[in-house]
Amino acid sequence: GAGVSQSPSNKVTEKGKDVELRCDPISGHTALYWYRQSLGQGLEFLIYFQGNSAPDKSGLPSDRFSAERTGGSVSTLTIQRTQQEDSAVYLCASSSQSTGAGELFFGEGSRLTVL
Amino acid sequence: TQLLEQSPQFLSIQEGENLTVYCNSSSVFSSLQWYRQEPGEGPVLLVTVVTGGEVKKLKRLTFQFGDARKDSSLHITAAQPGDTGLYLCAGDDTGGFKTIFGAGTRLFVKA
Repeated sequence: GAGVSQSPSNKVTEKGKDVELRCDPISGHTALYWYRQSLGQGLEFLIYFQGNSAPDKSGLPSDRFSAERTGGSVSTLTIQRTQQEDSAVYLCASSSQSTGAGELFFGEGSRLTVL
Repeated sequence: TQLLEQSPQFLSIQEGENLTVYCNSSSVFSSLQWYRQEPGEGPVLLVTVVTGGEVKKLKRLTFQFGDARKDSSLHITAAQPGDTGLYLCAGDDTGGFKTIFGAGTRLFVKA
């Protein structure tokens, strides 16, 4: 597709289970971001991939969160031993620029509910 | 880490009214962006401002970048129900070039 694709769109899980969220960015975009958005709130930065550079993981809230980007394209965000406070919409974005001021193109998000 | 503070957090107005929302920081940004997000969707870029003092207009929306490049404002003239949404400012974190967002201003325009 032409845009950023995320899956699943909705995920309901039980506390303590692991979840994987997938992001397929726009082809050719070197930058990929994951953000978390709690209900009615702004975007909390989680992790940033840029080309082949080491990712900026400074926003990951705990060691239960990890992300990888294979082949410079698809990314997976993994949350281990989920907690209720992990419930949120997880947004992925990609950009063609290597520095700021580049337009971010967002997917529609993956809504995670931890019971 | 640089922070972007937005105000007000929530704004409910009648159709036809004017409004201004603000994005402030104690840090200098090389550029700032404004995004709008509607329910169930990801944010969509409205504008990027790069030069201190810059003013950009997008139909009824006027965006301004502060002279010192620490703040920005978004003014909407004659608001319409279709303007309803979450308005987010964003800037590049000069420490790592990643884009960070403010908490947003949620606007509701009543018909």
